[in-house]
Amino acid sequence: DIQMTQSPSTLSASVGDRVTITCRASQSISSWLAWYQQKPGKAPKLLIYRASNLESGVPSRFSGSGSGTEFTLTISNLQPDDFATYYCQQYNNYATFGQGTKVDIK
Amino acid sequence: EGQLVESGGGLVQPGGSLRLSCAASAFTFTHYAMNWVRQAPGKGLEWVSGISGSGGNRYYADSVKGRFTISRDNSKNTVYLQMNSLRAEDTAVYYCAKDRIPGGKNYFDSWGQGILVSVSS
Repeated sequence: DIQMTQSPSTLSASVGDRVTITCRASQSISSWLAWYQQKPGKAPKLLIYRASNLESGVPSRFSGSGSGTEFTLTISNLQPDDFATYYCQQYNNYATFGQGTKVDIK
Repeated sequence: EGQLVESGGGLVQPGGSLRLSCAASAFTFTHYAMNWVRQAPGKGLEWVSGISGSGGNRYYADSVKGRFTISRDNSKNTVYLQMNSLRAEDTAVYYCAKDRIPGGKNYFDSWGQGILVSVSS
């Protein structure tokens, strides 16, 4: 089974900051990685697929990079609506999620 | 994208059974694999099960293999999750989720609102 590890678990930031979340796979997954945003009581929302492709309608301040085993999600110019929990998900071998990174207000 | 509405959740005793349903609309249902993803209270997301568009291929997480069964009725645009031998650790919000790409690698572009399953005596 492929394990996904996100860091950090919690990230405190301010509006306007640039934040970076890392996701590591236990084995190579090529670029088969997606990122989701989840707010309390809501379903996850797809942000990025195939490591770096922005889903339609998602603001361009979100970006993804990486391949193989190491990936990053970057939010530039953090906005109030961005305070949420973010999950990575590999889909090289069905689906495994990372444990999540909560972005909260500093 | 599509619209997904789950139903069938509730409180069940340990060892009991429950069947979840997910009604789909606004996309060609038979073209897409469908999945169940769960989230225990205060915890992260866990993929539970997936089924191909035709229903011929089914996949399960190790944590539910042998206890849960996924199925679909393409005439009703509905996917099901039959959950047997339920345990306290199955307590979670269960989401129905649609694959983005027909027949391809599976990330999820549409999600239901989620339905709570509580396993407790």
